[in-house]
Amino acid sequence: GIQVEQSPPDLILQEGANSTLRCNFSDSVNNLQWFHQNPWGQLINLFYIPSGTKQNGRLSATTVATERYSLLYISSSQTTDSGVYFCAVEDTGNQFYFGTGTSLTVIP
Amino acid sequence: NAGVMQNPRHLVRRRGQEARLRCSPMKGHSHVYWYRQLPEEGLKFMVYLQKENIIDESGMPKERFSAEFPKEGPSILRIQQVVRGDSAAYFCASSPSGSQPQHFGDGTRLSIL
Repeated sequence: GIQVEQSPPDLILQEGANSTLRCNFSDSVNNLQWFHQNPWGQLINLFYIPSGTKQNGRLSATTVATERYSLLYISSSQTTDSGVYFCAVEDTGNQFYFGTGTSLTVIP
Repeated sequence: NAGVMQNPRHLVRRRGQEARLRCSPMKGHSHVYWYRQLPEEGLKFMVYLQKENIIDESGMPKERFSAEFPKEGPSILRIQQVVRGDSAAYFCASSPSGSQPQHFGDGTRLSIL
């Protein structure tokens, strides 16, 4: 299966700071999604981004499929951004592989 | 427009009992996926189903676990003779077709006493 590595594994930010989360994957993919798992365990769709750049408010994401990585940018972080951020990629057989996540804590 | 609905949210079973987890996909979605999340870990793929068909079950344990997605009604993930190691969060996702964004339910937290 496809290997998905996320970095950093843990991140602590002061409220208002910016951050970049990275996702590397080992093979060509049909699909890539970023999710936020909040402290209640819910998985929130952030981006569906097999290639290119997308922005949604304070969040943006870029996927460079040819170089097999994706970046998630969080600007002006807020305490509600805390949680675990997962990158997941889909192979040609429609199977999803999740990374181990980046655990983000935003402190006031 | 309801999202993916999973129930129950929490399920407690004693060792040796059966657990049934239900998932109703979003309206118009005919593809369902089940994932398991152990504490402090990412989600692991278990099975991919379309109506009345299992497309890929390569992530399912060979024994005690089964899944179905009947023509009518929700998808069911069934775990027979549960053991302590089955304690996890089980997530269901749906999509309108393959290679489309997957939308996740809130999960079922299974605890085995």
